[in-house]
Amino acid sequence: KAGVTQTPRYLIKTRGQQVTLSCSPISGHRSVSWYQQTPGQGLQFLFEYFSETQRNKGNFPGRFSGRQFSNSRSEMNVSTLELGDSALYLCASSPQRGARASTDTQYFGPGTRLTVL
Amino acid sequence: EDQVTQSPEALRLQEGESSSLNCSYTVSGLRGLFWYRQDPGKGPEFLFTLYSAGEEKEKERLKATLTKKESFLHITAPKPEDSATYLCAVHPIKAAGNKLTFGGGTRVLVKP
Repeated sequence: KAGVTQTPRYLIKTRGQQVTLSCSPISGHRSVSWYQQTPGQGLQFLFEYFSETQRNKGNFPGRFSGRQFSNSRSEMNVSTLELGDSALYLCASSPQRGARASTDTQYFGPGTRLTVL
Repeated sequence: EDQVTQSPEALRLQEGESSSLNCSYTVSGLRGLFWYRQDPGKGPEFLFTLYSAGEEKEKERLKATLTKKESFLHITAPKPEDSATYLCAVHPIKAAGNKLTFGGGTRVLVKP
């Protein structure tokens, strides 16, 4: 089974621009979560989508948003980029067979390395 | 607030020198605790899930254990290919959805 894929793998943007990152989950997985990883803050939860609905959101400003499509693929968008948004953005998918959250293993993709100049 | 603390931050081992990594957590209730391995520039790779105190799981040279307040990842006779950052994460009972809270990780370097 193919793993989680993320595109693009690398991005360079300038302050004020916006960016869209894409994530394709493992086939059959219905939950997609996004995390930001930086050397100073480590891995921090951004949001989770299940059945095209945002189920949970971390403590990030409204500039960070996302969505999920009917095929479970997900995108996240960051508007008005700031220097501090430079990070590795990771997507993780899990089966989540029902609407009620369960402790399924989350499998991570390779990440998108975003650099903001 | 849910907290996860990993220690030490970094660990240098000689090949064959066994050691343990610690993950201390504070949550009101635990659904599960996860261990991941992360190589530079890559996404975390799943290792183990532990659900209840007293549970142990093994995979090759790695063994994870869980108590009510902490988890340990034991590395037995490590090899250079075990060099990586090891991440611990908790899934609290009260967390809506699938949110994981991660520790800061332990960077392990195994020298031949």
